[in-house]
Amino acid sequence: EVQLVESGGGLVQAGGSLRLSCAASGFTFSSHSMNWVRQAPGKGLEWISYISASSRTIYYADSVKGRFTISRDNAKNSLSLQMNSLRDEDTAVYYCARDPSDYGANSGYFDYWGQGTLLTVPS
Amino acid sequence: EIVLTQSPGTLSLSPGERATLSCRASQSVTSNYLAWYQQKPGQAPRLLIYGASSRATGIPDRFSGSGSGTDFTLTISRLEPEDFAVYYCQQYGNSPWTFGQGTKVEIK
Repeated sequence: EVQLVESGGGLVQAGGSLRLSCAASGFTFSSHSMNWVRQAPGKGLEWISYISASSRTIYYADSVKGRFTISRDNAKNSLSLQMNSLRDEDTAVYYCARDPSDYGANSGYFDYWGQGTLLTVPS
Repeated sequence: EIVLTQSPGTLSLSPGERATLSCRASQSVTSNYLAWYQQKPGQAPRLLIYGASSRATGIPDRFSGSGSGTDFTLTISRLEPEDFAVYYCQQYGNSPWTFGQGTKVEIK
């Protein structure tokens, strides 16, 4: 069974930093691209970052570019998101989400999601 | 960036009725790379449809997707009690990938 379990959320003051993690199991993690998608309280979904299976290709949404860094450790089946210079508008539930392609390609949609971890940046 | 506009914002229907949800893109979606997700309160989104009309694994056939270019539709042929939720469309043909604002299907 595919499982994605996020951790690391919490309360951080504006300007601070936090690192989110996503532990993957039940599939060959090193074969799949991965993503982070966030959802502000009561709002819709926003894709924020993508990393290819090999880490060779990385994309960011403009809203987080230069502040957030995505990375992965295929030996540990782990995905991370380092978030710096946090703002109140970064308050959201952060989901890690799997790309369905199992040969390292970029499908662009998300077939499995974690349960999410909440980041709160008070204004 | 492609903006996706979903309508209506809220759909009030009874179990057994047909639901028709619309997703309109601000420009043509490349190769009809359009997905639909269902989200229930406190849960992660669940993939329903990809490629505008292909059902994801395990999705009941009462869910169907259609459309092309800028206009897409998710149809739920007969609403079951577990189908009352928020539905999002997402385009993945152009970077950045974007979502619609969601349509809530509520019990009438």
